[in-house]
Amino acid sequence: SQQGEEDPQALSIQEGENATMNCSYKTSINNLQWYRQNSGRGLVHLILIRSNEREKHSGRLRVTLDTSKKSSSLLITASRAADTASYFCAPLYSSASKIIFGSGTRLSIRP
Amino acid sequence: DTGVSQDPRHKITKRGQNVTFRCDPISEHNRLYWYRQTLGQGPEFLTYFQNEAQLEKSRLLSDRFSAERPKGSFSTLEIQRTEQGDSAMYLCASSKTHGENTEAFFGQGTRLTVV
Repeated sequence: SQQGEEDPQALSIQEGENATMNCSYKTSINNLQWYRQNSGRGLVHLILIRSNEREKHSGRLRVTLDTSKKSSSLLITASRAADTASYFCAPLYSSASKIIFGSGTRLSIRP
Repeated sequence: DTGVSQDPRHKITKRGQNVTFRCDPISEHNRLYWYRQTLGQGPEFLTYFQNEAQLEKSRLLSDRFSAERPKGSFSTLEIQRTEQGDSAMYLCASSKTHGENTEAFFGQGTRLTVV
């Protein structure tokens, strides 16, 4: 299967804490993308990391990529209530691969 | 506003009726996707287009579903003889397949309820 598998399925943390979620995939990739989905809305692209990159930052987001383990992680620092959402990864095996998704990680931020 | 628009936002239909949804992608995007999503699940891939060519249709998709992108711009998704199990959010997304930024941009979705 081309889709990534996110882990854990659900995560509940206190506001202000850091949240880490993981993505595993099967074969070599060109890039891996992370998306967020707030309840009842479309997905929003967060960050793209290429196969030759190991780490990338965007604001409070940090993404790492370990191609030897075929895994990626998304870290959200200093979580806020607005970070409550589902998070999906999409590994692309070439730049022209179709973008498909797993079941995601449902993140809940407790006040 | 992501630039991808879907119409309608909500549709309630009686079982057995046909419905058609429209998606207008970002104009310079050559790739267009349709997904279906039910509560608590990730978006399930249905089909995708490269310009006007339909490259793949999910094996899970019955013959009641058909999609077109006649001029490589907007796309329509038609469901014939709707069933209650078709109730879901239908998401459209578009992207480029070359250059630096190949991420997908999503519309807000069309929520279908079959009664």
